[in-house]
Amino acid sequence: EAQVTQNPRYLITVTGKKLTVTCSQNMNHEYMSWYRQDPGLGLRQIYYSMNVEVTDKGDVPEGYKVSRKEKRNFPLILESPSPNQTSLYFCASSFAGPASLREQFFGPGTRLTVL
Amino acid sequence: KNQVEQSPQSLIILEGKNCTLQCNYTVSPFSNLRWYKQDTGRGPVSLTIMTFSENTKSNGRYTATLDADTKQSSLHITASQLSDSASYICVVSAIGSARQLTFGSGTQLTVLP
Repeated sequence: EAQVTQNPRYLITVTGKKLTVTCSQNMNHEYMSWYRQDPGLGLRQIYYSMNVEVTDKGDVPEGYKVSRKEKRNFPLILESPSPNQTSLYFCASSFAGPASLREQFFGPGTRLTVL
Repeated sequence: KNQVEQSPQSLIILEGKNCTLQCNYTVSPFSNLRWYKQDTGRGPVSLTIMTFSENTKSNGRYTATLDADTKQSSLHITASQLSDSASYICVVSAIGSARQLTFGSGTQLTVLP
């Protein structure tokens, strides 16, 4: 089944404790992206990757890191989480190419709480 | 600055009734507009995509319209069902933008029996 998977689905942690949220897709997509979703603000892009070893900042990259060593994986790293990073996080992937045809497929989400 | 505004923020209707959700955007240069459905606790799923030359597109009971001149889109849901309860998100793409997408904050639809 074609899908985007994220782990963990739920995480409660404390301020300053490094964590990684994994994202994997099995559709051979070149483009992958991370979003956070907060009430009333909609989805905001954190980082994106056009292909292996190519990453770039989205709208809200502060406090996050990413890497793209393999095509299928795009982990999100919080080196020193803070309470304002409490949010619902989504990973998404799509084929690269003209923006007009690209549909992003979203993972199930990771609900992160930083105490 | 590219923006997408949706209205209403929330809507409650009775099962079987129709409803229309609105999306206004200022994204330029416009490439396409998608409507996504997001069930509670799940990732968004694409319902339909509208390109510049398309005025209307249907997907079952969902019909999207686009007026590129006024930069407005609507999503009409016919004969609503309980399973239509979800957040509906309008997403607009700009030509030539690697970051691609501007998201609306969504309309939360609740369908009551």
